[in-house]
Order: sequence, then C-alpha cells, then structure tokens
Amino acid sequence: AQKVTQAQTEISVVEKEDVTLDCVYETRDTTYYLFWYKQPPSGELVFLIRRNSFDEQNEISGRYSWNFQKSTSSFNFTITASQVVDSAVYFCALSESRLGYNKLIFGAGTRLAVHP
Amino acid sequence: DSGVTQTPKHLITATGQRVTLRCSPRSGDLSVYWYQQSLDQGLQFLIQYYNGEERAKGNILERFSAQQFPDLHSELNLSSLELGDSALYFCASSLVGVPTDTQYFGPGTRLTVL
Repeated sequence: AQKVTQAQTEISVVEKEDVTLDCVYETRDTTYYLFWYKQPPSGELVFLIRRNSFDEQNEISGRYSWNFQKSTSSFNFTITASQVVDSAVYFCALSESRLGYNKLIFGAGTRLAVHP
Repeated sequence: DSGVTQTPKHLITATGQRVTLRCSPRSGDLSVYWYQQSLDQGLQFLIQYYNGEERAKGNILERFSAQQFPDLHSELNLSSLELGDSALYFCASSLVGVPTDTQYFGPGTRLTVL
C-alpha cells in the first residue's frame, strides 16, 4: 500500500543551523512522483519541489536541497543556514502513476521551528 | 500566490447545517481537487474533477458532495454537519489531472462547526 512517513514530528533549531527533514515512502508502483509542500503559519500550502521516480538526481535551490534515494525509499529535504522565515510545517507527498489519476498521499508533516 | 482562489476564508456554523465552499482553479488548469486537513486525520484527499467530470474519489463522506462547473470552478457541499467536520478544506488545481501534474493549492477554507 502507498504510504508516506515523516517520523520527525517537530524539530527546533537556532537560526543559521542546517536541518534535514526526513521522508520515507512506500509504493508498489515503479513510476511515481514525490513532492514537498510548505505550510507556513498563515495556513496555505506552498509547492516546493516535484521529483520523478526515474530521476535520481539531487536538486539544489538556493538554501534548499533534496536527496532522493530509491534504494532506501527516501526523499529528504535539507535547509542550509536556516532562517526564522523557514518556520513552518513541511509535508512530503506521493503520487502514483498506476492510478491514472492524481491523488496525493501526504505524510503527517514535520513542524520546523527556527529560533533567532 | 498559487493562483487558486477559495471562498470563504473562514466559516462558522452549527451542527446539522449545510455549507458550500467555492474554488476557482488557476488559469488554464482543467482539474480540481479537494482535500481535508484535520488534527486527527492529517491531509486527506477527498475528490478530483477533470473538466467537469468526477475523476477520482477518496475518503469523502456521503454527506459531502462536489461538482465542477462549465467555467471550471468547483464547489464542495457539506451537509448535516458534525463537530468532527471542523477542519481546513483545501482546493488544488492542476493542468490535466494526471500523476505527472503538480497540484497547486489555494489558501484554504477554515470550517468551524459549533
């Protein structure tokens, strides 16, 4: 069955620290898509990144980087030199190709608090 | 700003009542999705529409229904409301509703049932 696990419920760091948010997924599909979304205190869900299962290249976008490892079914997200504005709940999500439709399965989320 | 709009932003109502949540997708997107975010269930997929037709159903209660209109906006109707229906309801949209799409979310409607 498809499942996304974000084992870290809450993480607290001091500004400028690096922090990694873990995401482990389960799927029987060979083609699937992984996503990260950010939910700041204002409540909206903001898309951060999409990764296709056939593309294992890691990605960097400014202070954000993502490490996709098929061998361990993980898609971890690292924030370098964290800032107070990074404080939010971060969700990892999975979409499977075999379904034919686009249903996102979300993890429970990791609440990140960055303190000055 | 994702380009997806939702109204109202907040809704407070009583048990047993019926409410309608409205969503307008991003310009050019044909598919609309509804999700419920609650403390105990997390973010759950409710239903997906593509170009006016229902594409997929998730954990949507029978008391809930949705539709997508010819102008592509969508409405989620919640009836016989219970305390447990209090949640943040998100609408999302994507181009054609296939797994390769990225879903962009609206700001959500916070429903409080008293």
